[in-house]
Amino acid sequence: AQSVTQLGSHVSVSEGALVLLRCNYSSSVPPYLFWYVQYPNQGLQLLLKYTSAATLVKGINGFEAEFKKSETSFHLTKPSAHMSDAAEYFCAVSFFQGAQKLVFGQGTRLTINP
Amino acid sequence: NAGVTQTPKFQVLKTGQSMTLQCAQDMNHEYMSWYRQDPGMGLRLIHYSVGAGITDQGEVPNGYNVSRSTTEDFPLRLLSAAPSQTSVYFCATYTRDNPAYGYTFGSGTRLTVV
Repeated sequence: AQSVTQLGSHVSVSEGALVLLRCNYSSSVPPYLFWYVQYPNQGLQLLLKYTSAATLVKGINGFEAEFKKSETSFHLTKPSAHMSDAAEYFCAVSFFQGAQKLVFGQGTRLTINP
Repeated sequence: NAGVTQTPKFQVLKTGQSMTLQCAQDMNHEYMSWYRQDPGMGLRLIHYSVGAGITDQGEVPNGYNVSRSTTEDFPLRLLSAAPSQTSVYFCATYTRDNPAYGYTFGSGTRLTVV
């Protein structure tokens, strides 16, 4: 069965430091992979997506992610954290199995320390 | 272009009451789905529909009913609310016309059952 695991329910970094949010997936069919961000009391906003083109994907707000098939990973990074990056981040895998499905990871709450 | 509209945004119910969460879209997407979001569990699929007249169960369907009489609307019904259904509910749509199988999310309905 397809699944997504996000390592670390809570990540804390200093402003200006590297942000690394980890995501591993399990999929028996070629997946599409997504990162979504959710700011407090808001809906989900798409950060970036992997759709079997370039393995290094650039998204909004300076975030990027690299698809590594051998490691079944899709980690999210940002070179320099900003206070406005504080939010919850969700990794998700999309696949077709009878019907289109979208499965989410548990989420990682990112805190930025001044 | 409104995208995906969910109503209401907030609702408090007493145990045993019934209600319907509304989801409407104006993008002519064939696929619509309902997710619930709970702390530490990410988003879990409740029910989905691949077109008018066709619905199916997701990961956590118990206690919820759906129907899809039109392309635009996909209401979620709670027949007898329970405290375990306290959650934030998101409606999401997609179309296979989008090469990335992109999903569009509504802004959510925050439901509290007391």
